[in-house]
Amino acid sequence: KAGVTQTPRYLIKTRGQQVTLSCSPISGHRSVSWYQQTPGQGLQFLFEYFSETQRNKGNFPGRFSGRQFSNSRSEMNVSTLELGDSALYLCASSFSLGAEAFFGQGTRLTVV
Amino acid sequence: AQKITQTQPGMFVQEKEAVTLDCTYDTSDPSYGLFWYKQPSSGEMIFLIYQGSYDQQNATEGRYSLNFQKARKSANLVISASQLGDSAMYFCAMREANAGGTSYGKLTFGQGTILTVHP
Repeated sequence: KAGVTQTPRYLIKTRGQQVTLSCSPISGHRSVSWYQQTPGQGLQFLFEYFSETQRNKGNFPGRFSGRQFSNSRSEMNVSTLELGDSALYLCASSFSLGAEAFFGQGTRLTVV
Repeated sequence: AQKITQTQPGMFVQEKEAVTLDCTYDTSDPSYGLFWYKQPSSGEMIFLIYQGSYDQQNATEGRYSLNFQKARKSANLVISASQLGDSAMYFCAMREANAGGTSYGKLTFGQGTILTVHP
């Protein structure tokens, strides 16, 4: 069974640009969560989707958004990038809300 | 207040020895879950072990065991017979049920402990 796949693995963007990250969950998993990891703030919850609906949202500005498609694949978008958005973005999938979360390898975003 | 506290920024252990990584948590929710993840330098978060707040026995998964002391609100990870490949960052995380009793997916993580295994 394939694991959680995140694309791209690495990304370099310029301040002010926008970026879209993709996450394909484990087959059969319907819940997808996103986390931001930085050296200063550690791991912080961004949002969670289940059955194409956002179920929970972390304390991030509106520049951070996401969605989930009918095949459970999820994307997150960050608009008007800032230097502080440089981070490892991790996606986790679960069979259902509250079940074990399995993470992908992450997308390392660098904003210059 | 920190919900998850990992007081050891770094730990060292000799290969084949056991090591305990500390984790304390803070919640008023009677229903919660505790997780440990391993993050090698590649960045991927690898699930290790899970303990539910109502579980009567401590969780074990191969060389990993969770020393769950509910009254003290601690959930320490014990790695037995350390291997060189165990060198990584280890995170303790908690999931709380919402007010309605339905557990959502949000995990709250500690700051992590870097484990170095010496040959």
